[in-house]
Amino acid sequence: ETGVTQTPRHLVMGMTNKKSLKCEQHLGHNAMYWYKQSAKKPLELMFVYNFKEQTENNSVPSRFSPECPNSSHLFLHLHTLQPEDSALYLCASSHGDRNQETQYFGPGTRLLVL
Amino acid sequence: AQSVTQPDIHITVSEGASLELRCNYSYGATPYLFWYVQSPGQGLQLLLKYFSGDTLVQGIKGFEAEFKRSQSSFNLRKPSVHWSDAAEYFCAVVLGNSGNTPLVFGKGTRLSVIA
Repeated sequence: ETGVTQTPRHLVMGMTNKKSLKCEQHLGHNAMYWYKQSAKKPLELMFVYNFKEQTENNSVPSRFSPECPNSSHLFLHLHTLQPEDSALYLCASSHGDRNQETQYFGPGTRLLVL
Repeated sequence: AQSVTQPDIHITVSEGASLELRCNYSYGATPYLFWYVQSPGQGLQLLLKYFSGDTLVQGIKGFEAEFKRSQSSFNLRKPSVHWSDAAEYFCAVVLGNSGNTPLVFGKGTRLSVIA
């Protein structure tokens, strides 16, 4: 298995709620990623962390706030989301953040914003 | 701009039949190429990857892919499909250098397998 876990697996929230998605990797990797997967669209990279430092922010709205307290854990804090933010949010990890590193994905959190 | 195209949104094949999923990319430089599979309710699992060397690469679950530079393609193949292969398949590309440019995914091809 991938060794990357995500909780919760499903989340329904209102536009005024605040919630957090959690990702944990058990692979000893140093880089972690958040992706958004919407229907009929390619996976969109949101954030990249390498050794707990953010190295990529792909023009993501501020209502999404990532946090990486250590190399094994990654959070995505959500507040005042919009219905169009409903999607599958995937976490991934890799040994490093270089191009040739294989990314290992978690099962995702299915988010519905009402 | 760099892009990855998977021309087929949905493919249906009979169990035991051969399979080919197409992937084309537009990059100016030599890319690193990946194929991932996503089963329902699951994350993406790496099937195979190409960095350099032999242009025919073998992956898990009996899959293989061939890199053709002249056609900018990296098509995924399997000689005999099993019902458990029904899933969504994603081609992904990244610039083949020592940097850390992001992985670019295609929109995916959904594979259905019928008896």
